[in-house]
Amino acid sequence: GAGVSQTPSNKVTEKGKYVELRCDPISGHTALYWYRQSLGQGPEFLIYFQGTGAADDSGLPNDRFFAVRPEGSVSTLKIQRTERGDSAVYLCASSLGNRGSYEQYFGPGTRLTVT
Amino acid sequence: TQLLEQSPQFLSIQEGENLTVYCNSSSVFSSLQWYRQEPGEGPVLLVTVVTGGEVKKLKRLTFQFGDARKDSSLHITAAQPGDTGLYLCAGERSNDYKLSFGAGTTVTVRA
Repeated sequence: GAGVSQTPSNKVTEKGKYVELRCDPISGHTALYWYRQSLGQGPEFLIYFQGTGAADDSGLPNDRFFAVRPEGSVSTLKIQRTERGDSAVYLCASSLGNRGSYEQYFGPGTRLTVT
Repeated sequence: TQLLEQSPQFLSIQEGENLTVYCNSSSVFSSLQWYRQEPGEGPVLLVTVVTGGEVKKLKRLTFQFGDARKDSSLHITAAQPGDTGLYLCAGERSNDYKLSFGAGTTVTVRA
């Protein structure tokens, strides 16, 4: 079956612009995670959804970042007034549940570059 | 500051040699996972260890979870060029579904 897909694969935007990053999880996976991976670093947790609701958004760096999952499947990460420091690879992962016994499957990521 | 410290940051060895990557923390984890990540792709899970002292083998890869569940190691025997990649450890603390990742170890195996 299809894995986690993310679009676009690359996004270049100017400082101050608004961007949306999309994640299509594996069908049937109720848990969805967003991570951010900066160059030379491991992924850093941003937000976690169980179904339609954001169960934990403690990793979002500030109020310019927002994510939704209105129908419990596709999720969109939205970044307002982008800054050069937002440049990173944004990874999405999904799993059958929210415990460590459930493997998280990662998408290929969206590479965001803010110029 | 990251919860998990990985060492070394970079490792370059000749095909056929052995290597060990370390993952250390002052925190206790209910489970610890190892991933491998290729350029332009997301991390792919290699193994999950959950019991202190646990050892798991995956072909030429051996994973060990420390007795106190604060550290782990990944050992590769007779490395091959196909083992080249970024190796990440990630831990889950009790009642916390979030994964905390280390910064990763970039392994290069030269033919």
